[in-house]
Amino acid sequence: KAGVTQTPRYLIKTRGQQVTLSCSPISGHRSVSWYQQTPGQGLQFLFEYFSETQRNKGNFPGRFSGRQFSNSRSEMNVSTLELGDSALYLCASSFTGTGGEGYTFGSGTRLTVV
Amino acid sequence: GENVGLHLPTLSVQEGDNSIINCAYSNSASDYFIWYKQESGKGPQFIIDIRSNMDKRQGQRVTVLLNKTVKHLSLQIAATQPGDSAVYFCAENPGGGSNYKLTFGKGTLLTVNP
Repeated sequence: KAGVTQTPRYLIKTRGQQVTLSCSPISGHRSVSWYQQTPGQGLQFLFEYFSETQRNKGNFPGRFSGRQFSNSRSEMNVSTLELGDSALYLCASSFTGTGGEGYTFGSGTRLTVV
Repeated sequence: GENVGLHLPTLSVQEGDNSIINCAYSNSASDYFIWYKQESGKGPQFIIDIRSNMDKRQGQRVTVLLNKTVKHLSLQIAATQPGDSAVYFCAENPGGGSNYKLTFGKGTLLTVNP
């Protein structure tokens, strides 16, 4: 079966710009979670959506936002980009959003802010 | 690789040896723990999980041990192979109202020498 698809794979943006990343979950999965991965901070939870509702949010500034569509696809947006936002952004889809074997990650979007 | 950071503990073993990767978790209320493997250029991949009412769980070539008293997890890999080379993360689900998120450890880079 098709895995989790994240687009684009790589992105270069300038400070102050905004960016939108996309995540298409595995068919049938209604939960999509987003994580930021950096060498210094590791994997940090951003937010989780289930049936278009945000159920959990991590400790990130309001510049980071997300949404989920009725087909379960999700987008995250970062406004007013800062150099420190350079990271690998990962999404994971699942039936429940609680982790485990069915919690499948995509390969991520590598964002570089210059 | 994309996921190798400056702050990762490292473990180097010979092919065929057993590997033990350790993780200290932070939240005594966490009730579900997962080990993930991340290869370069990919998202984390599920290895094995354990609930807080257990202290040991075995899979194929892998065993997870949980010590709730000292908030410690370990992953044992038997007969380590070159394909096991990757970064390994433990993750905890805090449960309760924060059930829909995972908190990841910093990761350990495992290198298997042929």
